[in-house]
Amino acid sequence: NAGVTQTPKFQVLKTGQSMTLQCAQDMNHEYMSWYRQDPGMGLRLIHYSVGAGITDQGEVPNGYNVSRSTTEDFPLRLLSAAPSQTSVYFCASSRDSDISGNTIYFGEGSWLTVV
Amino acid sequence: QKEVEQDPGPLSVPEGAIVSLNCTYSNSAFQYFMWYRQYSRKGPELLMYTYSSGNKEDGRFTAQVDKSSKYISLFIRDSQPSDSATYLCAMSDINDYKLSFGAGTTVTVRA
Repeated sequence: NAGVTQTPKFQVLKTGQSMTLQCAQDMNHEYMSWYRQDPGMGLRLIHYSVGAGITDQGEVPNGYNVSRSTTEDFPLRLLSAAPSQTSVYFCASSRDSDISGNTIYFGEGSWLTVV
Repeated sequence: QKEVEQDPGPLSVPEGAIVSLNCTYSNSAFQYFMWYRQYSRKGPELLMYTYSSGNKEDGRFTAQVDKSSKYISLFIRDSQPSDSATYLCAMSDINDYKLSFGAGTTVTVRA
């Protein structure tokens, strides 16, 4: 099993460009989410999805868009990149939204630099 | 003020020492408490999970939760160089699956 796969691993964008970070999981998990990790800030939730066709905003959703057309895929779109979006992005998935004893699996991260 | 506070360190200890990590939080509704380990350039992986107050032990790792003080701890006994990583605390309440993370503490175990 591949687990949670994120692409690309590294990306440099110019201010104003748009791009999509891909996330795929092969564990048939219902719950998927995107976090960003910045120095001194920990991981902050951007968007999440409790199942195909259902998405919702997290703590820091501005400037990002998501969709969930299949159970496996949960892409994150940057609409018009800004330097403040320079960060490490992690996709995560879990069996469902019941947190008791439910392990969250993280991808290996996507390093994004906006210049 | 952040919802979850964690001293970022860094923390450097000799091999075999006990590593003590902790987090404080402000939301009294938090019921689920987790510790994640994150190696450099990798995603976090779940290390320990505790529900409500109490202690939990798993091999060399012990997690403690004191809800009255809003304080959680992770102890690593007989630390090894392979324990060198960033340790993140995370927590959530019973009705909201979204996790609140601490900033992470970077630990180096010297051989």
